[in-house]
Amino acid sequence: QKEVEQDPGPLSVPEGAIVSLNCTYSNSAFQYFMWYRQYSRKGPELLMYTYSSGNKEDGRFTAQVDKSSKYISLFIRDSQPSDSATYLCATISSGSARQLTFGSGTQLTVLP
Amino acid sequence: DAGVTQSPTHLIKTRGQHVTLRCSPISGHKSVSWYQQVLGQGPQFIFQYYEKEERGRGNFPDRFSARQFPNYSSELNVNALLLGDSALYLCASSLKVGGDSPLHFGNGTRLTVT
Repeated sequence: QKEVEQDPGPLSVPEGAIVSLNCTYSNSAFQYFMWYRQYSRKGPELLMYTYSSGNKEDGRFTAQVDKSSKYISLFIRDSQPSDSATYLCATISSGSARQLTFGSGTQLTVLP
Repeated sequence: DAGVTQSPTHLIKTRGQHVTLRCSPISGHKSVSWYQQVLGQGPQFIFQYYEKEERGRGNFPDRFSARQFPNYSSELNVNALLLGDSALYLCASSLKVGGDSPLHFGNGTRLTVT
């Protein structure tokens, strides 16, 4: 079993839709949670960064972490064609930890 | 401000050859990490360096090595290339080691081994 499981997609939605992207993880030591967006032939771009449980909002993006169920989500409101990309969840444990553990990514297409 | 820069952007090598990939971190960042991303998968951790010292190593063979220079730039070396080494190699920088210092990635070097 992978430490971070991500809905594989691909996901296709019409422009303006609300998108929900989800991951689960198995290691209770994970404390920091990130969402990266990766366009084709580009590196991952940090979108959201949260610590422990709760919600964090940034513009059209909301990251949600539920440590009790080991579930992390990214919501995109009023989705745009420019949001079409692969979304990667990632997590890391303590402040001394060295490596991010990534999900396998969900490919999102927003249709105009 | 310049982000993480990597060179070259693309590389084609033959099995058995050696390759060196280079990375310059964001100004002020002292930690550099290397990740391998195979098509359709998330990045896998290879190395992390901080202040020129190796701070972490992933589950990769000894053919993979790296180093960090006094100016915080870094090189990833891969010897005796195999077909399975074909991937996107990503460099990321952060202010320091640890989960409270998020990683910022470059656009990677796409390595093809034939």
